Amino acid sequence: EDKVVQSPLSLVVHEGDTVTLNCSYEVTNFRSLLWYKQEKKAPTFLFMLTSSGIEKKSGRLSSILDKKELFSILNITATQTGDSAVYLCAVNSGGYQKVTFGTGTKLQVIP
Amino acid sequence: EAGVAQSPRYKIIEKRQSVAFWCNPISGHATLYWYQQILGQGPKLLIQFQNNGVVDDSQLPKDRFSAERLKGVDSTLKIQPAKLEDSAVYLCASSLERATYNEQFFGPGTRLTVL
Repeated sequence: EDKVVQSPLSLVVHEGDTVTLNCSYEVTNFRSLLWYKQEKKAPTFLFMLTSSGIEKKSGRLSSILDKKELFSILNITATQTGDSAVYLCAVNSGGYQKVTFGTGTKLQVIP
Repeated sequence: EAGVAQSPRYKIIEKRQSVAFWCNPISGHATLYWYQQILGQGPKLLIQFQNNGVVDDSQLPKDRFSAERLKGVDSTLKIQPAKLEDSAVYLCASSLERATYNEQFFGPGTRLTVL
């Protein structure tokens, strides 16, 4: 059974802090790993990672994938209160592009 | 480009009643997914369609849940009869058929409360 595990489950930081969110996976026939941000509604897409060691960056957010060790990290620098959300990691695998989500990391950024 | 549409946005029913949700994916997206997201958890895949065929329904509670996508476009998900533990947000998502790397686009979801 495909498995995606995220840690920590929740995190409280102060504005300006840097956070690192973790995602590890065990799947058959890995295709890609995706990060989503969810703020009380539908998940919104952040990154898609397919190759090891290549950092994807968007503003203060960045992410990298390690296909040998089967994990990914999502970094957020200089956090803002607007970054408060649940961050979901999902893995696309198999011939029919199955997507398995982790339980998410709830991030709260306090002023 | 219009996004994934879902209706209703909210639904409150009593246990043992029936309910149906509707989803219209992004035009041209052949793959459609229904997810159940219980509060505090990640989305759980219920069923995945490729055009109008089912490719994965291994986590769909088939004794009470059913879904169809008759013309390979919009889809309905039905629960009959509902149980208290079905209270959740039901998310519909779609993606391109031949996308090697599967970015899914999500609808706004339907929040179901079963009393």
